[in-house]
Formats: sequence, C-alpha cells, structure tokens
Amino acid sequence: DTGVSQNPRHKITKRGQNVTFRCDPISEHNRLYWYRQTLGQGPEFLTYFQNEAQLEKSRLLSDRFSAERPKGSFSTLEIQRTEQGDSAMYLCASSQGLRVDSYTFGSGTRLTVV
Amino acid sequence: AQKVTQAQTEISVVEKEDVTLDCVYETRDTTYYLFWYKQPPSGELVFLIRRNSFDEQNEISGRYSWNFQKSTSSFNFTITASQVVDSAVYFCALRMDSSYKLIFGSGTRLLVRP
Repeated sequence: DTGVSQNPRHKITKRGQNVTFRCDPISEHNRLYWYRQTLGQGPEFLTYFQNEAQLEKSRLLSDRFSAERPKGSFSTLEIQRTEQGDSAMYLCASSQGLRVDSYTFGSGTRLTVV
Repeated sequence: AQKVTQAQTEISVVEKEDVTLDCVYETRDTTYYLFWYKQPPSGELVFLIRRNSFDEQNEISGRYSWNFQKSTSSFNFTITASQVVDSAVYFCALRMDSSYKLIFGSGTRLLVRP
C-alpha cells in the first residue's frame, strides 16, 4: 500500500488551457475526495465519490470543473479554460467507506496558471 | 452554518516549550466529528486524531494531547516539549454526520526554533 498518489506534482499552464489531474486512492478505499487549497488557507471541499458515483459537489465546482471516477478506482479532475484564480494546490483523499472514516490525503498537485 | 476558526495564524516557540493550538467550531448538528491534521512543507496532510461529538474524553498520545469541550465548542491541541520537527501548519477540521466532507479551519503555522 503506497498511500494516495497524485500526478502530476506540479503543473504550469497558460490561461485558457485545459488541465487534467489524476488521483490513485488506497486500493481498498471506496470513497474518494477532491479538495482545493490556496496559499495560507485550509483545504476547501470540491467533490466526493463513493465507488464510481459522484455523491456531493461543492458550489466551488464551477461548470469549468469536472471530476470522474469511471471504474471506482482512480479519479481525474479536469479544469477547462483555466483562469489565474484556479492556481492552487489540488488535494485528493480517500477513505474506507465506514460511517466514521479517517481520511488519507495525497501530496497534491500544484497548479500555476500564467 | 458550519465553520471552523483557528484564530492563531502563526506561533513561534523555542524548542522544549509547550504550545497550544486553538480550534473553535460551529455546528447545529448533535453528531459530528473533529479532526486535527499536520501539513509539513512537503504538502501532504497527515492525520493526527479524530474525535466524536459524544466522546468528550481528552486524549493523550505521547507529546500530543487534545482537549475537547462541547460547552465552549473548542477542540484544542497541545504539544508538550516541542521539537523542531513539529514545525508545520496544523489544521482543525469538522465533519457533520450527514456528510462526508471535511470543513477545515485556515490553519496555524507553528515554528519551533532550536
């Protein structure tokens, strides 16, 4: 078990480009979460999946953001037409799916939009 | 509304001093869960503790201890005999029983000087 893996670790993109991040959760975890963290702030919830079903989405997740977990294993987060305000650390976490869960976080993908 | 407040933005102590990080939360739910995470410079959030709202017993784990008081809606974290390796940003988080998302405070940056 190598923990929660996120790729890439860093991404620099030009404004207006699309970017996609990948998260591989701990293998036996059936819940997967995406958070966004800006400098000096705590992580903010974006969305979560139970298996392949996306069960909750934050209002922060605008139309330009989409997340998928097609086979209930890895997940992707895509941002279309990136804006400078999208620059942040994008964190993925997973949990077993118990009523009272502990969450394991990955090291994040740092996005810089120039 | 649910909210977590960490009023201390940054704390600086000398090694071996004791330090307490404050966390105040707001929720109308009667069942909820409180967490503390450590975020070292590498960026990964490291789980420290989870507490259920119906269990106000304080907990000690080595040099770490937590004081949960429902009467003041606080869940404070104390590090005894701090060490340089304790330097990190510490986040308090809240989860309601009706949702699996975590609501984080803005974090407290702890600097332990040798």
